[in-house]
Amino acid sequence: GAGVSQSPSNKVTEKGKDVELRCDPISGHTALYWYRQSLGQGLEFLIYFQGNSAPDKSGLPSDRFSAERTGGSVSTLTIQRTQQEDSAVYLCASSLALGENSPLHFGNGTRLTVT
Amino acid sequence: AQTVTQSQPEMSVQEAETVTLSCTYDTSESNYYLFWYKQPPSRQMILVIRQEAYKQQNATENRFSVNFQKAAKSFSLKISDSQLGDTAMYFCAFIPYYNNDMRFGAGTRLTVKP
Repeated sequence: GAGVSQSPSNKVTEKGKDVELRCDPISGHTALYWYRQSLGQGLEFLIYFQGNSAPDKSGLPSDRFSAERTGGSVSTLTIQRTQQEDSAVYLCASSLALGENSPLHFGNGTRLTVT
Repeated sequence: AQTVTQSQPEMSVQEAETVTLSCTYDTSESNYYLFWYKQPPSRQMILVIRQEAYKQQNATENRFSVNFQKAAKSFSLKISDSQLGDTAMYFCAFIPYYNNDMRFGAGTRLTVKP
């Protein structure tokens, strides 16, 4: 079956421009997560959604970062006025509803390069 | 919030030997799940093994096993008979039983040498 899909797979943008990253979770998965992985580094938690709501936004690095999820499905992570330190791989993951605690299923990530 | 610590940024092991990756976590929860994920150069995240905190028996999956010490909040991963394909970044992860707030450690980069 279809897994978690992220687009684009690669994005190169100029410093100061806005970018939008998209995540399509597995159908029926109500929990959705965004992580950031800098080159060779560990996963940095950004935000997670339970349905359309985000109980914890504390991981967002700055107010230039925002995320939304509509219809309990697709999520977009938006970075405004990109900076070079935003360059990283942005990973999305989804899992089944609260209480079932199935493992996360990850997409292949979007590699963002800010020049 | 929960925190997960992996104190070994890099490790290496000879092919066919055994290696243990360490993970500690901090939580006030009593019911939770712990995971080890593997991330090869392809960037895809692959679940290696999972442990429920209420189970005393350590989880095993073929060559992979864990040493779960709940009182010490420790969750190490042992890889036996290491293979070249085990070369990857390994992440320890924690999720409380009652919500989906999953947290990862910083990862350990494992290199298996021929």
